[in-house]
Order: sequence, then C-alpha cells, then structure tokens
Amino acid sequence: SQQGEEDPQALSIQEGENATMNCSYKTSINNLQWYRQNSGRGLVHLILIRSNEREKHSGRLRVTLDTSKKSSSLLITASRAADTASYFCATGPNTGGFKTIFGAGTRLFVKA
Amino acid sequence: EAQVTQNPRYLITVTGKKLTVTCSQNMNHEYMSWYRQDPGLGLRQIYYSMNVEVTDKGDVPEGYKVSRKEKRNFPLILESPSPNQTSLYFCASRQGQDNEQFFGPGTRLTVL
Repeated sequence: SQQGEEDPQALSIQEGENATMNCSYKTSINNLQWYRQNSGRGLVHLILIRSNEREKHSGRLRVTLDTSKKSSSLLITASRAADTASYFCATGPNTGGFKTIFGAGTRLFVKA
Repeated sequence: EAQVTQNPRYLITVTGKKLTVTCSQNMNHEYMSWYRQDPGLGLRQIYYSMNVEVTDKGDVPEGYKVSRKEKRNFPLILESPSPNQTSLYFCASRQGQDNEQFFGPGTRLTVL
C-alpha cells in the first residue's frame, strides 16, 4: 500500500525559480527521506529528516516536516535545468523494521 | 568506490522461465532491499533483509523469493515469472534505519 503521496504530480518552472513539492503520509513515522531520480535511473538520496526534527537544509534544498499534519515539503531554491528529475518521498515506520514506503513522485521540469 | 551493483541491467524472458537478478554492495551494510517501480506507482518494496539469513516481506512479495547467505549479496529470484512482473527493479542497501539508502542502477525486466 502506498503511504507517501506527493503533490503536485508534475511541476514545470523556469530556471532560477523555486520549486516546492509536498508529501503526505498516513501512519506514524521514524523518519522521512527525499530522493531524486533522473529518467529511468537509480535513486539518489537527498535528505533524511527524523520525526523529532522540523527542518533540515542541504545546499539549495530545504526540507520541513510537520508530524501533526503528517506532511513534509521539499524546497529547491534557485532551480537549474539539471534539477529536472522525479522527486520521491519515502517513509520509515516508527514500528521499527526496515519497511520503506515510497510515494508516486513529483516530476519536476526546469526550463532553461 | 562505494556502490550497489545489479545484474543484468536488462532482461527479456518468457513466462515461466526461472531467473535471478543479482545484487551486491561493497559498503558492509547490514540492510538490503528490493523494490519494483511501475509507472504512476512509485517504488514498492518487495523484500528486505536485516542481516545474513534474516529476511522479511515488503508490500509486494508475491511471486518473488530472496536469499541472504552473505552480507554483500541479496539476489532476487523469480521462480516462474509472469507478464505482470514486467517492471524496473532496484536493489538498495543501508547501514541502519536512520541512514540513507544507496540504490543500484536498476534492472529492466520484460516478461513475455
């Protein structure tokens, strides 16, 4: 069953603009991860945020987590054409174990 | 170089012909997983392993088998493949629950 749901499903912006993607989930989590996937290739880990954290930064990436709303957002600032990819959130349940549940992803297209 | 490798990268087979997709990691990670990715569905976890000889089912285990006889290897076995197992498969490994997952490059499987 899918837990994470990304919103929007697709996003098209101009280079230099900011891109915001949202993820909602259903059950309590231990952590939430964001990944990037270039067309048909392997996923690359971007950021992991733990359930007791509210915000995390990495370069041009900013992730927030609101456990009361069961939602997270990924902000990419000053986007570049190279940011064009699909972005997925994935959750690790707080029941332990290593089940990971991915959302269907947001397809981001950055126009040069 | 730290990496997860999968073989083969591409495979076309026929219904019922047993096949194995290999996965190997060189990071001494304890935890490994198999996912399948289908359009519009994101990644779904098939099986995961917490250590040698310790495996558990993910969300979509039907029709698949795995084994973990060595820490570095986690093969995915399809005893009798069917067309609905046509998909893009990814292997991943991680050191712990709060660590990032490293993904292999993917195996594109077509079952005719």
